[in-house]
Amino acid sequence: EDQVTQSPEALRLQEGESSSLNCSYTVSGLRGLFWYRQDPGKGPEFLFTLYSAGEEKEKERLKATLTKKESFLHITAPKPEDSATYLCAVQARNGGYQKVTFGIGTKLQVIP
Amino acid sequence: EAQVTQNPRYLITVTGKKLTVTCSQNMNHEYMSWYRQDPGLGLRQIYYSMNVEVTDKGDVPEGYKVSRKEKRNFPLILESPSPNQTSLYFCASSSITGTYNSPLHFGNGTRLTVT
Repeated sequence: EDQVTQSPEALRLQEGESSSLNCSYTVSGLRGLFWYRQDPGKGPEFLFTLYSAGEEKEKERLKATLTKKESFLHITAPKPEDSATYLCAVQARNGGYQKVTFGIGTKLQVIP
Repeated sequence: EAQVTQNPRYLITVTGKKLTVTCSQNMNHEYMSWYRQDPGLGLRQIYYSMNVEVTDKGDVPEGYKVSRKEKRNFPLILESPSPNQTSLYFCASSSITGTYNSPLHFGNGTRLTVT
């Protein structure tokens, strides 16, 4: 069974204090790993897709990396508007390409 | 604007009263799916559809029905709602390229309360 574990569950940072969110996964064959951002009262919004170990993607203050067992979402010099819940999801090869498994998320709060 | 539209946003109902939550997308996506989101459990897939007239069960299908008569619409039906179906529901869609799903586009959710 595919599993996605995110840590920490919640993270409080001062504005400008860089940190990383972790996503550990167990899948039978990874097709892709996704990061989403979810604001209160809204649906998740796509950030990144990573397909293979060693791949990295960046967008503004966010950088996502992937190894064979985990992914990190690095947040550099965060601002209050980065406050949100960040969700990790994996798409498994053996499970059929329609199967996407989500983690519970990391709730990030950035204090001015 | 490309979007997934769910209605209603909020719904309060009583046990056993049939209800339908509508979902529509304007991106011509083949794939559509319903999720429920509960504290401590994350997003769990209820049903999904690969194309018109093709639907299949996700992880938590009990108590739900879906239909896909048109490509753009994917309604979620609760024939006899129960309090354990109180949750936040999301519809999502994506295109399919070969054997890969593109990232999911989500609606803004429907908060359902069953008393």
